[in-house]
Amino acid sequence: DSGVTQTPKHLITATGQRVTLRCSPRSGDLSVYWYQQSLDQGLQFLIQYYNGEERAKGNILERFSAQQFPDLHSELNLSSLELGDSALYFCASSPDPGGPGELFFGEGSRLTVL
Amino acid sequence: TQLLEQSPQFLSIQEGENLTVYCNSSSVFSSLQWYRQEPGEGPVLLVTVVTGGEVKKLKRLTFQFGDARKDSSLHITAAQPGDTGLYLCAVPSGNTGKLIFGQGTTLQVKP
Repeated sequence: DSGVTQTPKHLITATGQRVTLRCSPRSGDLSVYWYQQSLDQGLQFLIQYYNGEERAKGNILERFSAQQFPDLHSELNLSSLELGDSALYFCASSPDPGGPGELFFGEGSRLTVL
Repeated sequence: TQLLEQSPQFLSIQEGENLTVYCNSSSVFSSLQWYRQEPGEGPVLLVTVVTGGEVKKLKRLTFQFGDARKDSSLHITAAQPGDTGLYLCAVPSGNTGKLIFGQGTTLQVKP
């Protein structure tokens, strides 16, 4: 158990819909990272938050957004969903944004867009 | 073009065999990490290497960082079914703590 909690574990929805994925980091970790894992693209970095502020941005689509709340949990919002958005979405946390520390990953949220 | 190229992409072997997987790049890195991901789970850190030429051992797993800090290898001795999983190498990008991952090597060890 990494200490990172993600909900929901599985989600099935239709094209055009909007979903919200939730992540609770390990106790005391201030940094939260979101990654997308698909068969053809591997594990791709989306976005990072540190103590409520956006810290780094990857190839995150404009249809996707995220935020980190004062209690440090984070949400990833995916809108106008397309078939190609079907993937595993991982949240990870770390105590130190400077690295090269370990990232602690949750079990992921599997999104299926039909 | 991937920053990190992992090979082979897929490996299926019998229990007891030895194997080596590779993580290559044309870039120089300050450090490199190896993670293992089992089905239905998130990646879990195995090791971090930081010095060129460094060798680290974790039971039957031996990790090496290239002298020029551009590549790394993972050698498993006498593989067991419990070693089955996706092996990912990762490097830091920038100074924010985020990691960039390779595509991974899927290892299947048959009993």
